Amino acid sequence: GAGVSQSPSNKVTEKGKDVELRCDPISGHTALYWYRQSLGQGLEFLIYFQGNSAPDKSGLPSDRFSAERTGGSVSTLTIQRTQQEDSAVYLCASSLVLRDLNTGELFFGEGSRLTVL
Amino acid sequence: GIQVEQSPPDLILQEGANSTLRCNFSDSVNNLQWFHQNPWGQLINLFYIPSGTKQNGRLSATTVATERYSLLYISSSQTTDSGVYFCAVGRAGGFKTIFGAGTRLFVKA
Repeated sequence: GAGVSQSPSNKVTEKGKDVELRCDPISGHTALYWYRQSLGQGLEFLIYFQGNSAPDKSGLPSDRFSAERTGGSVSTLTIQRTQQEDSAVYLCASSLVLRDLNTGELFFGEGSRLTVL
Repeated sequence: GIQVEQSPPDLILQEGANSTLRCNFSDSVNNLQWFHQNPWGQLINLFYIPSGTKQNGRLSATTVATERYSLLYISSSQTTDSGVYFCAVGRAGGFKTIFGAGTRLFVKA
């Protein structure tokens, strides 16, 4: 697609339920990133993918969080047994990988706003 | 990990004024970007500037990689410039891109 697409744009769930957030990156972008932004705060790095592999999962807040990417394209961020502190906007970005293996410019989707009641 | 510090944290300007926002980082970087997050939460790419100087209209940016800082200049500010300005950096040889805490700008009419 023309830009990074995320769904759902808004999700309200009850504490303890599982949620899945989806990200469809810009076509041809091999790098994909997930960030979390709580109200009035900065962007917290969660995980990145190079192709289908995630070399660095250190940013995931707990083992309730997991992410996968298939076919080098769409990624899903799953939060199990949601808690109220998981309420935030979850942002996805994608980028090219440059010839020297440096990261190209990141482009962001509009985010998925998660509210846990 | 790499540390990113932005200053000032908050800035109030009268419309028409100029300003300089600063981003300091603690390690060598292979990418540096400036973003504007508008009041609706959308992140808008301003500059991809691991080194050197770029200009786009009333905005310009300079990164001095050897001294580990970048500056974003806003000239003749407008109310639509209000929002949060983020600097984001990635360490050389890696993909993890870390954001600073941002500078919150309010431009008064």
